[in-house]
Amino acid sequence: GQQLNQSPQSMFIQEGEDVSMNCTSSSIFNTWLWYKQDPGEGPVLLIALYKAGELTSNGRLTAQFGITRKDSFLNISASIPSDVGIYFCAGLESQGGSEKLVFGKGTKLTVNP
Amino acid sequence: DGGITQSPKYLFRKEGQNVTLSCEQNLNHDAMYWYRQDPGQGLRLIYYSQIVNDFQKGDIAEGYSVSREKKESFPLTVTSAQKNPTAFYLCASSLDRLNQPQHFGDGTRLSIL
Repeated sequence: GQQLNQSPQSMFIQEGEDVSMNCTSSSIFNTWLWYKQDPGEGPVLLIALYKAGELTSNGRLTAQFGITRKDSFLNISASIPSDVGIYFCAGLESQGGSEKLVFGKGTKLTVNP
Repeated sequence: DGGITQSPKYLFRKEGQNVTLSCEQNLNHDAMYWYRQDPGQGLRLIYYSQIVNDFQKGDIAEGYSVSREKKESFPLTVTSAQKNPTAFYLCASSLDRLNQPQHFGDGTRLSIL
């Protein structure tokens, strides 16, 4: 099945730095979602993108739906210690009339105070 | 508050034993999903249900079974046929199959004794 390439796999940054991560696919997605997961908990939705070219912000987070519909990025500005966690992208693809959500493998973010 | 409740948080299974993981939602969502998460991996879809009394296999359904007798409930049984059941199991729901995003419960961690 379709796979998403999410990068980087992990990041180690200092508090206050900006962060950027992205996801790419070989086929087109209709929706891009970004989630954050804390250890031992379920993923929490951060941003949902529904239209190619769409740029959406949620506080210090900004995400974009790529024009080609094959990629998306997430930026975090002025990182803080509570940003630590695993960030997942997910894309909704159509397959023969059926919709399927495909997840990237995650970017593990560590923020040093 | 509306949400998705998974129980138990931790579960231990003996060899040859079936175990059932509970998932309840009060969001009035039609679609529900079960995912398996292994370290360093993205979420993999086990089963999904678009409506009561209907469910479909996902990418890794072998060794698992589900039922959807009520809209609010979508229990997952890990059978003895699942040879590597140790994982973090996540339940999710969405308004319907076409309307994402999915909202997740806090997960159940299953371990083998």
